[in-house]
Amino acid sequence: DADVTQTPRNRITKTGKRIMLECSQTKGHDRMYWYRQDPGLGLRLIYYSFDVKDINKGEISDGYSVSRQAQAKFSLSLESAIPNQTALYFCASSGTGTDTQYFGPGTRLTVL
Amino acid sequence: GEDVEQSLFLSVREGDSSVINCTYTDSSSTYLYWYKQEPGAGLQLLTYIFSNMDMKQDQRLTVLLNKKDKHLSLRIADTQTGDSAIYFCAETPRTGGFKTIFGAGTRLFVKA
Repeated sequence: DADVTQTPRNRITKTGKRIMLECSQTKGHDRMYWYRQDPGLGLRLIYYSFDVKDINKGEISDGYSVSRQAQAKFSLSLESAIPNQTALYFCASSGTGTDTQYFGPGTRLTVL
Repeated sequence: GEDVEQSLFLSVREGDSSVINCTYTDSSSTYLYWYKQEPGAGLQLLTYIFSNMDMKQDQRLTVLLNKKDKHLSLRIADTQTGDSAIYFCAETPRTGGFKTIFGAGTRLFVKA
């Protein structure tokens, strides 16, 4: 079984709709992250959480919110989706030590 | 500021060596990483190097680190078609909240 899972894997929605992307990890990691990937721009950090009570904005948090429901779960919400939020979204988790990040398979979101 | 730069494309013939280069700006990072992303998948750690090392070899992979020039490279010997993927360079600076900074990714094309 995958260590980091994301649901849904694909989603098409309309402008103005509220969308939630969910992430779970079974690695027992304290740290979790949400990134978006756009062609030629690499990964950009949206939000990150170093434990259940810790939530931090990344470089592109506007238009997004997150919830850390438990150590293993970290969800990303788009309150009112817009077309330029069309992208591939990745969740990741990491432990201490080498800070190696373990990524989910990604969610492809299309906002029409 | 924090920045990781790498070229966007590299094309090699099967059996040749591939060298993917990366420059970074923050010298406080303890580890520097290479991640691999295959089509339709999330990123997976390929290898990492501790900042007090100059070189790390792991089977067909050789990582070279030049701390003076803040230059990191990944050499893949005997490149195979299965090595076709996007390769991301990354660092986790000890300043700025311990967030991992990713480059934009180098897309490696391997021609048969």
